[in-house]
Amino acid sequence: QVQLQESGPGVVKPSQTLSLTCSVSAGSISSGGYYLTWIRQFPGKALEWIGYIHYSGSTYYNPALRSRVAMSVDTSKSHFSLSLSSVTAADTAVYYCTRDSPGGYFDVWGRGILVTVSS
Amino acid sequence: EIVLTQSPATLSLSPGQRATLSCRASQRINNQLAWYQQRPGQAPRLLIYDTVKRDAGIPDRFSGSTSGTDFTFTISRLEPEDFAVYYCQQRSNWPYTFGQGSKLEIK
Repeated sequence: QVQLQESGPGVVKPSQTLSLTCSVSAGSISSGGYYLTWIRQFPGKALEWIGYIHYSGSTYYNPALRSRVAMSVDTSKSHFSLSLSSVTAADTAVYYCTRDSPGGYFDVWGRGILVTVSS
Repeated sequence: EIVLTQSPATLSLSPGQRATLSCRASQRINNQLAWYQQRPGQAPRLLIYDTVKRDAGIPDRFSGSTSGTDFTFTISRLEPEDFAVYYCQQRSNWPYTFGQGSKLEIK
C-alpha cells in the first residue's frame, strides 16, 4: 500500500514562499496512472483542494490559488513538491498530500503538516 | 464553483442508533460525490465514492444515496469509533470542493 509523508518548515514568514515535499513509499509514483494532490485544512476545519500533479508533470491548480501555486515531481526520488508564494496568515493550515484515486477522490492521505504563517 | 452544504452541523446520538447526514450540491453533480470520515488528529479517510460505492475495507453499515442534488450518508448502527466529523466532496467540476463538515458526537 502506498504511503505518503509530508515534510517542510512549520513556520513561514508573511510574503515568503511556503515549500513542502511529499515522499512516496511502498509504491511508485509512476505506476497506476494516478494523480498526486495537495489539500489543506484551515484551523476552522474547512478543506480546500489546492491542485494535482501527474507523474508526467501535468498539473491543474485551483483557480483561486493559481497565481501563487506551483507543483513539481521528481520520480527518481519518489517525491513531489508544493510551492505557495506570497503567503499571508490566511494560508495557515494543515497541508496534506493525497493520492487521487479513483479519479477525483482521495484514497490515501499523508499525516499532514501544520504550516503557520507568522513573523 | 460548486458549493456543498452539509447538515446538521452537529448530530448527537448513542451507540447502536442510526445516523443520517445530508449534503446538498448547488448544481447537479451526476452522483460524483464522496464521503470522508475524520477522527481527531487524523487525516480524512475515504468511505464512500460515486455516491454509493464503498472504498476497500469499509464496513457495510456505511451507505450513501441520492435524490437529485441532495445526498444522504447513513450509518445503520453506530459503533463507538464512528463518532467523528464527516465531509462530503464533489469531483464533478473543477475545482473539487468539500462540504463544511458534520460532527457526529456521542449523546
